[in-house]
Amino acid sequence: QVHLQESGPGLVKPSGTLSLTCAVSGDSISSGNWWTWVRQTPGKRLEWIGEIYRSGSANYNPSLESRVTISLDKSKNQFSLELRSVTAADTAVYYCAKVDQSKYRSLSSWGQGTLVTVSS
Amino acid sequence: DIQMTQSPSSLSASVGDRLTITCRASENIYNYLNWYQQKPGRAPKLLIYFGSTLQSDVPSRFSGSGSGTDFTLTISSLQPEDSATYFCQQTYKSGTFGPGTTVEI
Repeated sequence: QVHLQESGPGLVKPSGTLSLTCAVSGDSISSGNWWTWVRQTPGKRLEWIGEIYRSGSANYNPSLESRVTISLDKSKNQFSLELRSVTAADTAVYYCAKVDQSKYRSLSSWGQGTLVTVSS
Repeated sequence: DIQMTQSPSSLSASVGDRLTITCRASENIYNYLNWYQQKPGRAPKLLIYFGSTLQSDVPSRFSGSGSGTDFTLTISSLQPEDSATYFCQQTYKSGTFGPGTTVEI
């Protein structure tokens, strides 16, 4: 069974950088699946942030692309999210998830989520 | 970008009711449509993928249908534990989510 766990600061200052890590167990990030970040706003909307493949190839939400980087650390079996120049609008619960290629790219396993608040 | 809409945004129903939620894509997504259930304080849970395939361990009262731009999630006989918010997601291009439908029982 795949288990994902997000970690990182819960509070980030405006104009700063949000950095989160997702530790994966029960599966290898070097397998044939993509790995993704999704966030949920205080209004409960889900927003796809981006995804990364084992090769390091990444796709991003066009509305965030200029501020986002998703990266892999194969030695630790984890992947990370960096969001720069944050504002209060980036306050959300951030989830990492597995994009299951065997299930037509559905998100079959999710982390529990971590709340990140942008505030001074 | 592909935009997703859902209707209704919320509803109230009774145990045993048959319930249908609609999801519409702004362009053809073939069958690349997934449904998730989310309860307060929890991560979304995959219910149905590729339009109509039930995820393992999901009760058979849940079903999905549709293709192209119009999709539905049906709960054949509503149970108390089905009180939740339901989201659709297209995975044809990136992974846009619908705004959600909150079901109150």
